[in-house]
Amino acid sequence: AQKVTQAQTEISVVEKEDVTLDCVYETRDTTYYLFWYKQPPSGELVFLIRRNSFDEQNEISGRYSWNFQKSTSSFNFTITASQVVDSAVYFCALPKRDSNYQLIWGAGTKLIIKP
Amino acid sequence: ETGVTQTPRHLVMGMTNKKSLKCEQHLGHNAMYWYKQSAKKPLELMFVYNFKEQTENNSVPSRFSPECPNSSHLFLHLHTLQPEDSALYLCASSKTSSTLETQYFGPGTRLLVL
Repeated sequence: AQKVTQAQTEISVVEKEDVTLDCVYETRDTTYYLFWYKQPPSGELVFLIRRNSFDEQNEISGRYSWNFQKSTSSFNFTITASQVVDSAVYFCALPKRDSNYQLIWGAGTKLIIKP
Repeated sequence: ETGVTQTPRHLVMGMTNKKSLKCEQHLGHNAMYWYKQSAKKPLELMFVYNFKEQTENNSVPSRFSPECPNSSHLFLHLHTLQPEDSALYLCASSKTSSTLETQYFGPGTRLLVL
């Protein structure tokens, strides 16, 4: 069965702290994609990254970085020097096998950055 | 106008009302989606359109009726809804209807059914 688990329901940190959001997935597929989306209070989901399972190199984009570990089926997301504007719900997602359209979404992690 | 827009942003309706949600994408994409996001539940895919043709109906009750007149516009017609239909309804688009394509989302319509 396929599954995406974001065990951290809510995380609260003080601004400028580093914070890591965990994503653990289950799939029997040998090749797959993984996604991270951000949902700020305004509502829209904002695409952050798409990662192919072939590429296990860590990805860095400004203060954001992603650590993909195929051996542990994890695709964790780290925000360095967090800012109040990073406050949002973050979702990890995995395409559903045998479906052209469906993504399997994690439950999301609500990140609160306090000033 | 950029990205994916949705109107209205908020909607309150009674169970006997008929209303419509509108979504418009300015990205030149060919696939559009409706999602339902309820509190404490994973995002639920409702409908998928690819080149104006409906390609997925994820067991959605008939009180929700989608319409896609062209690749840029998507509607969700609502009638005789139930209170449990209260949720955030999100529209998304992608180049094609593949899970390998990145989906771009609108801000959503927050619906309250009384």
